[in-house]
Amino acid sequence: GNSVTQMEGPVTLSEEAFLTINCTYTATGYPSLFWYVQYPGEGLQLLLKATKADDKGSNKGFEATYRKETTSFHLEKGSVQVSDSAVYFCALGATGGGNKLTFGTGTQLKVEL
Amino acid sequence: NAGVMQNPRHLVRRRGQEARLRCSPMKGHSHVYWYRQLPEEGLKFMVYLQKENIIDESGMPKERFSAEFPKEGPSILRIQQVVRGDSAAYFCASSPRGQGRAGELFFGEGSRLTVL
Repeated sequence: GNSVTQMEGPVTLSEEAFLTINCTYTATGYPSLFWYVQYPGEGLQLLLKATKADDKGSNKGFEATYRKETTSFHLEKGSVQVSDSAVYFCALGATGGGNKLTFGTGTQLKVEL
Repeated sequence: NAGVMQNPRHLVRRRGQEARLRCSPMKGHSHVYWYRQLPEEGLKFMVYLQKENIIDESGMPKERFSAEFPKEGPSILRIQQVVRGDSAAYFCASSPRGQGRAGELFFGEGSRLTVL
């Protein structure tokens, strides 16, 4: 079945540092890929998504590229801010569409001054 | 607050009691999803409902768990005769429709169930 493996946290960075959170997946077919973010005290929010191979999703300075050859969807940001402190979840859509998602375990990011 | 509302945020039950978790979707959304997050694990799909219909309950445990989304009122996830292994965070999400805009779910803040 489908599965998502995500980099373990917590990750602690200084402000303006470069961020990478690794995510790899196992799936049949060509599912859509997503990153969700959960800020403290809030629900999960869609951060970005990519629906096919080589697509790049981007939002709020974050980027992730759908790499079919390495089955990866790593999240990157060139310069993190304290306000980026949150838990980041990589997720895999059901093949064929629909909203039944398979999530990774989440990676907590803490950005310090 | 126009977001997905879940209550209670925290619930403590003793083994054998019942737990009821409620979810009000975003205004205009008619599709509700429940996910469970066990300690140290990712969110796992449980059930997908529309008003008065269960569309997909493939992630629901076969016993003790049930879900409904009545014509009026919130969606309810009900766990009967809770056991310690039910301790988890239960997240509700909603969308304006099911198929089509895959992955664009709007989540609540979760309900954290602790079974003593």
